[in-house]
Amino acid sequence: EDQVTQSPEALRLQEGESSSLNCSYTVSGLRGLFWYRQDPGKGPEFLFTLYSAGEEKEKERLKATLTKKESFLHITAPKPEDSATYLCAVQAWGNTPLVFGKGTRLSVIA
Amino acid sequence: KAGVTQTPRYLIKTRGQQVTLSCSPISGHRSVSWYQQTPGQGLQFLFEYFSETQRNKGNFPGRFSGRQFSNSRSEMNVSTLELGDSALYLCASSLDGQGEAFFGQGTRLTVV
Repeated sequence: EDQVTQSPEALRLQEGESSSLNCSYTVSGLRGLFWYRQDPGKGPEFLFTLYSAGEEKEKERLKATLTKKESFLHITAPKPEDSATYLCAVQAWGNTPLVFGKGTRLSVIA
Repeated sequence: KAGVTQTPRYLIKTRGQQVTLSCSPISGHRSVSWYQQTPGQGLQFLFEYFSETQRNKGNFPGRFSGRQFSNSRSEMNVSTLELGDSALYLCASSLDGQGEAFFGQGTRLTVV
């Protein structure tokens, strides 16, 4: 069974304090790993797709990386507006649905 | 380009009633998936429709059902509502079910 575990569950950072969120996964055959951002009461917003180990994607203060067992979302010099829940999901090959982790709730304090 | 639209945004229903939620996907997207999100369980997959056919189904009771129309719009129905059905119901659309999925704002269902 495909599984995704995210850690930590919650993270509190000072503005400008860089850190990383972890997404560990087991999947029968990885087609893609996805990162989403979700604000309270809203639907998840797509951030990145990673397809193979060693791949990296960047967007503003966020950088996502992928190994064969886990992915990291690095947040450099975060700002209060980066506060949100970050979700990781995997998709196996074939017509299979996304499997989500429970997310990391990030709070950035000014 | 319009995003995924879910209606209604909020619903309050009584136990035992039934409810229908609607989802209009991004134009050109043929796959629509539904998820239930609760604080304790996170995002759980309900079902996926592609070209009017249910292609995948999650581990939910038969009270949860859905359908997709020829224009790719989708509805999900929950019958005989229970208190535990209170959740945020999210719809996601993608071109063909492979790759990036884009979510709507969700329907917040409260069962009292």
